[in-house]
Amino acid sequence: EAGVVQSPRYKIIEKKQPVAFWCNPISGHNTLYWYLQNLGQGPELLIRYENEEAVDDSQLPKDRFSAERLKGVDSTLKIQPAELGDSAVYLCASSLSPSGREFFGPGTRLTVL
Amino acid sequence: GESVGLHLPTLSVQEGDNSIINCAYSNSASDYFIWYKQESGKGPQFIIDIRSNMDKRQGQRVTVLLNKTVKHLSLQIAATQPGDSAVYFCAEKPGGFKTIFGAGTRLFVKA
Repeated sequence: EAGVVQSPRYKIIEKKQPVAFWCNPISGHNTLYWYLQNLGQGPELLIRYENEEAVDDSQLPKDRFSAERLKGVDSTLKIQPAELGDSAVYLCASSLSPSGREFFGPGTRLTVL
Repeated sequence: GESVGLHLPTLSVQEGDNSIINCAYSNSASDYFIWYKQESGKGPQFIIDIRSNMDKRQGQRVTVLLNKTVKHLSLQIAATQPGDSAVYFCAEKPGGFKTIFGAGTRLFVKA
Protein backbone atom coordinates (compact mmCIF):
# COMPACT_ATOMS: atom_id res chain seq x y z
CA GLU A 1 0.00 0.00 0.00
CA ALA A 2 1.38 3.39 -0.97
CA GLY A 3 2.04 5.83 1.81
CA VAL A 4 1.38 9.55 1.88
CA VAL A 5 2.87 11.15 -1.22
CA GLN A 6 4.17 14.70 -1.28
CA SER A 7 5.70 16.81 -4.01
CA PRO A 8 7.99 18.46 -4.57
CA ARG A 9 10.50 17.12 -2.08
CA TYR A 10 12.58 20.27 -2.22
CA LYS A 11 11.81 23.81 -3.29
CA ILE A 12 14.02 26.89 -3.36
CA ILE A 13 12.42 30.24 -4.10
CA GLU A 14 13.13 33.90 -3.61
CA LYS A 15 11.16 35.86 -1.05
CA LYS A 16 7.88 37.34 -2.24
CA GLN A 17 7.41 34.50 -4.74
CA PRO A 18 4.48 32.11 -4.51
CA VAL A 19 4.91 28.39 -3.83
CA ALA A 20 2.60 25.40 -3.68
CA PHE A 21 2.89 21.96 -2.14
CA TRP A 22 0.85 18.92 -3.07
CA CYS A 23 -0.18 15.94 -0.97
CA ASN A 24 -1.94 12.70 -1.78
CA PRO A 25 -3.03 10.86 1.37
CA ILE A 26 -3.33 7.12 1.90
CA SER A 27 -6.34 5.77 0.04
CA GLY A 28 -9.43 5.80 2.21
CA HIS A 29 -8.06 8.24 4.77
CA ASN A 30 -10.66 10.93 5.29
CA THR A 31 -8.57 13.10 7.61
CA LEU A 32 -5.68 15.07 6.18
CA TYR A 33 -3.25 17.31 8.03
CA TRP A 34 -0.66 19.87 7.03
CA TYR A 35 2.15 20.48 9.50
CA LEU A 36 5.05 22.90 9.64
CA GLN A 37 8.33 21.64 11.05
CA ASN A 38 11.16 24.01 11.86
CA LEU A 39 14.67 22.69 12.20
CA GLY A 40 15.10 20.61 15.33
CA GLN A 41 11.52 21.04 16.48
CA GLY A 42 8.40 18.94 16.45
CA PRO A 43 5.75 19.38 13.77
CA GLU A 44 3.08 22.02 14.38
CA LEU A 45 -0.38 21.68 12.91
CA LEU A 46 -1.37 24.23 10.27
CA ILE A 47 -4.69 22.81 9.12
CA ARG A 48 -6.79 19.65 9.42
CA TYR A 49 -9.37 18.46 6.91
CA GLU A 50 -12.25 16.07 7.36
CA ASN A 51 -12.99 15.08 3.76
CA GLU A 52 -13.14 18.41 1.94
CA GLU A 53 -13.92 20.51 5.01
CA ALA A 54 -11.23 22.43 6.89
CA VAL A 55 -12.23 21.73 10.49
CA ASP A 56 -9.20 23.25 12.23
CA ASP A 57 -7.25 26.04 10.57
CA SER A 58 -6.66 28.13 13.66
CA GLN A 59 -2.86 27.98 13.24
CA LEU A 60 -2.83 28.78 9.53
CA PRO A 61 -1.51 32.31 8.81
CA LYS A 62 -4.36 33.24 6.55
CA ASP A 63 -2.82 36.43 5.25
CA ARG A 64 -0.36 34.46 3.13
CA PHE A 65 -1.22 30.77 3.49
CA SER A 66 -4.11 28.96 1.88
CA ALA A 67 -5.06 25.33 1.45
CA GLU A 68 -7.65 23.33 -0.39
CA ARG A 69 -8.90 19.78 -0.63
CA LEU A 70 -11.58 20.17 -3.24
CA LYS A 71 -12.63 16.56 -3.77
CA GLY A 72 -11.74 15.32 -0.32
CA VAL A 73 -8.72 13.40 -1.55
CA ASP A 74 -5.50 15.22 -2.45
CA SER A 75 -4.66 18.63 -1.09
CA THR A 76 -2.60 21.69 -1.94
CA LEU A 77 -0.99 24.14 0.45
CA LYS A 78 0.01 27.52 -0.95
CA ILE A 79 2.09 30.41 0.31
CA GLN A 80 1.85 33.79 -1.38
CA PRO A 81 4.04 35.72 -0.95
CA ALA A 82 6.73 33.66 0.74
CA GLU A 83 8.88 35.21 3.45
CA LEU A 84 12.32 34.25 4.71
CA GLY A 85 10.80 32.86 7.89
CA ASP A 86 8.73 30.37 5.93
CA SER A 87 11.81 28.24 5.32
CA ALA A 88 10.94 24.91 6.92
CA VAL A 89 9.72 21.42 6.16
CA TYR A 90 6.05 21.14 5.30
CA LEU A 91 4.63 17.76 6.23
CA CYS A 92 1.39 16.19 5.16
CA ALA A 93 -0.24 13.40 7.14
CA SER A 94 -3.45 11.41 6.94
CA SER A 95 -5.50 9.16 9.18
CA LEU A 96 -8.59 6.99 8.88
CA SER A 97 -10.36 9.06 11.49
CA PRO A 98 -9.60 12.29 13.37
CA SER A 99 -8.77 10.39 16.55
CA GLY A 100 -6.61 7.79 14.86
CA ARG A 101 -2.95 7.30 14.18
CA GLU A 102 -1.44 9.71 11.67
CA PHE A 103 0.74 8.58 8.81
CA PHE A 104 3.23 11.13 7.54
CA GLY A 105 4.63 11.83 4.14
CA PRO A 106 8.33 12.62 3.57
CA GLY A 107 7.74 16.37 3.59
CA THR A 108 8.69 19.25 1.34
CA ARG A 109 11.75 21.21 2.38
CA LEU A 110 11.24 24.86 1.49
CA THR A 111 14.11 27.32 1.36
CA VAL A 112 13.25 30.99 0.88
CA LEU A 113 16.19 33.16 -0.19
CA GLY B 1 12.35 33.13 17.30
CA GLU B 2 14.42 31.31 19.86
CA SER B 3 16.43 28.46 18.44
CA VAL B 4 15.36 25.99 21.09
CA GLY B 5 15.27 23.31 18.47
CA LEU B 6 19.03 23.52 17.85
CA HIS B 7 19.58 22.27 21.39
CA LEU B 8 17.66 19.03 21.18
CA PRO B 9 18.13 16.86 24.22
CA THR B 10 20.37 14.00 23.22
CA LEU B 11 20.87 10.47 24.42
CA SER B 12 23.91 8.45 23.51
CA VAL B 13 23.88 4.69 24.09
CA GLN B 14 26.08 1.76 23.25
CA GLU B 15 24.80 -0.69 20.69
CA GLY B 16 23.04 -3.54 22.45
CA ASP B 17 22.16 -1.51 25.54
CA ASN B 18 18.62 -0.46 26.42
CA SER B 19 17.51 3.14 25.77
CA ILE B 20 15.00 5.13 27.75
CA ILE B 21 13.61 8.35 26.35
CA ASN B 22 11.45 10.48 28.59
CA CYS B 23 8.76 13.02 27.88
CA ALA B 24 6.54 15.26 29.98
CA TYR B 25 3.16 16.20 28.58
CA SER B 26 1.10 19.20 29.48
CA ASN B 27 -2.60 18.48 29.10
CA SER B 28 -4.39 16.43 31.75
CA ALA B 29 -7.21 15.88 29.26
CA SER B 30 -4.95 14.05 26.80
CA ASP B 31 -6.19 10.52 26.32
CA TYR B 32 -4.01 9.30 23.49
CA PHE B 33 -0.23 9.33 23.27
CA ILE B 34 2.09 8.38 20.45
CA TRP B 35 5.82 7.97 19.98
CA TYR B 36 7.27 8.83 16.58
CA LYS B 37 10.72 8.24 15.14
CA GLN B 38 12.09 10.67 12.59
CA GLU B 39 15.17 9.98 10.52
CA SER B 40 16.96 12.68 8.61
CA GLY B 41 15.05 13.73 5.51
CA LYS B 42 11.97 11.69 6.36
CA GLY B 43 8.63 12.30 7.95
CA PRO B 44 7.82 11.06 11.46
CA GLN B 45 7.21 7.33 11.60
CA PHE B 46 4.81 5.77 14.10
CA ILE B 47 6.48 3.54 16.70
CA ILE B 48 3.90 2.81 19.37
CA ASP B 49 0.88 4.38 20.99
CA ILE B 50 -1.01 4.12 24.27
CA ARG B 51 -4.42 5.21 25.49
CA SER B 52 -4.92 6.82 28.86
CA ASN B 53 -6.71 3.75 30.27
CA MET B 54 -3.42 1.86 30.14
CA ASP B 55 -0.09 2.43 31.86
CA LYS B 56 2.09 0.15 29.79
CA ARG B 57 2.13 -1.18 26.27
CA GLN B 58 4.71 -3.34 24.56
CA GLY B 59 5.66 -3.71 20.95
CA GLN B 60 8.57 -5.30 19.19
CA ARG B 61 11.66 -4.17 21.16
CA VAL B 62 9.76 -1.09 22.38
CA THR B 63 7.73 -0.39 25.48
CA VAL B 64 5.80 2.75 26.35
CA LEU B 65 5.04 3.64 29.94
CA LEU B 66 2.44 6.22 30.93
CA ASN B 67 2.29 7.85 34.36
CA LYS B 68 -0.80 10.04 34.40
CA THR B 69 -0.19 11.19 37.96
CA VAL B 70 2.92 13.11 36.99
CA LYS B 71 2.04 13.47 33.30
CA HIS B 72 5.08 11.53 32.16
CA LEU B 73 5.62 9.27 29.19
CA SER B 74 8.64 7.12 28.43
CA LEU B 75 9.83 5.02 25.54
CA GLN B 76 12.09 2.07 26.21
CA ILE B 77 14.02 0.49 23.36
CA ALA B 78 15.56 -2.88 24.07
CA ALA B 79 18.88 -3.94 22.57
CA THR B 80 19.37 -0.63 20.78
CA GLN B 81 20.70 -0.93 17.24
CA PRO B 82 22.47 1.56 14.95
CA GLY B 83 19.27 1.79 12.92
CA ASP B 84 17.53 3.22 15.96
CA SER B 85 19.55 6.42 15.65
CA ALA B 86 17.02 9.17 14.99
CA VAL B 87 15.02 11.92 16.65
CA TYR B 88 12.19 10.63 18.81
CA PHE B 89 9.07 12.68 19.45
CA CYS B 90 6.37 12.05 21.96
CA ALA B 91 2.97 13.39 20.99
CA GLU B 92 -0.33 13.83 22.79
CA LYS B 93 -3.77 14.08 21.33
CA PRO B 94 -6.06 15.85 23.81
CA GLY B 95 -9.65 15.23 22.91
CA GLY B 96 -8.47 12.93 20.16
CA PHE B 97 -8.25 15.47 17.36
CA LYS B 98 -5.18 17.70 17.42
CA THR B 99 -1.75 16.13 17.84
CA ILE B 100 0.72 18.15 19.88
CA PHE B 101 4.34 17.17 19.49
CA GLY B 102 7.06 17.52 22.07
CA ALA B 103 10.47 18.98 21.29
CA GLY B 104 12.14 15.67 20.50
CA THR B 105 15.16 13.74 21.71
CA ARG B 106 18.04 12.80 19.45
CA LEU B 107 19.27 9.26 20.01
CA PHE B 108 22.83 8.35 19.04
CA VAL B 109 23.79 4.70 18.99
CA LYS B 110 27.49 3.97 19.29
CA ALA B 111 28.76 0.86 17.57
